[in-house]
Amino acid sequence: EVHLSESGGGLVQPGGSLRLSCAASGFTFDSYDMTWVRQAPGKGLEWVSSVTGNGRRTYYADSVKGRFTISRDNSKNTLSLQMDILRAEDTATYYCAKGRKAADDAFDFWGQGTMVIVSS
Amino acid sequence: SYVLTQPPSVSVAPGQTARITCGGNNLRSKPVHWYQQRPGQAPVLVIYDNTDRPSGIPERFAGSKSENTATLTISGVEAGDEADYYCQVWNFISGQWDYVFGAGTKVTVL
Repeated sequence: EVHLSESGGGLVQPGGSLRLSCAASGFTFDSYDMTWVRQAPGKGLEWVSSVTGNGRRTYYADSVKGRFTISRDNSKNTLSLQMDILRAEDTATYYCAKGRKAADDAFDFWGQGTMVIVSS
Repeated sequence: SYVLTQPPSVSVAPGQTARITCGGNNLRSKPVHWYQQRPGQAPVLVIYDNTDRPSGIPERFAGSKSENTATLTISGVEAGDEADYYCQVWNFISGQWDYVFGAGTKVTVL
């Protein structure tokens, strides 16, 4: 059974940093792209960043480019998101999601999310 | 940037059919995926590649696409179907990789 579990959320001041992690199990981790999607309170879903299965290629939404860094450790089945220079508008629940197959494919499994609050 | 347009809300009586549309430029060329998000829960994939249902999703959920509009149809609506529904595509232009979600449609079961 596929299981994704995020951790690392919390309260951080504007300009601060936070590192999110996503522990994966139940599938061959390095065979699938992984993605972070966020949802601001009361708002819709927003793609944040994706990384290919081998970790060599990374992609970012314009809203986080240059501030966030996605990475993965395939030996530990772990996905990470390093978030720097945080802004109030980064306040959201962050979900990690598994890609189903190809790049244009769906996200077939999601974690339960971790909440990030950026506030002074 | 690419935009997917969904109606903000759809209301339906139990047992009836709910239809949620998702429109976008040149959508005919892009696989469309649909997610259900119940209050306080993570999204769940209900339709992928326009029409396919993941294992465990009831046959009451069906996807279709015509020209530049995709539709999620929920037949025999139940109280448990009350949720937000999002359509999503992958947009790759000029080397820019982008996953796009619609703004979501809130389905209310009357």
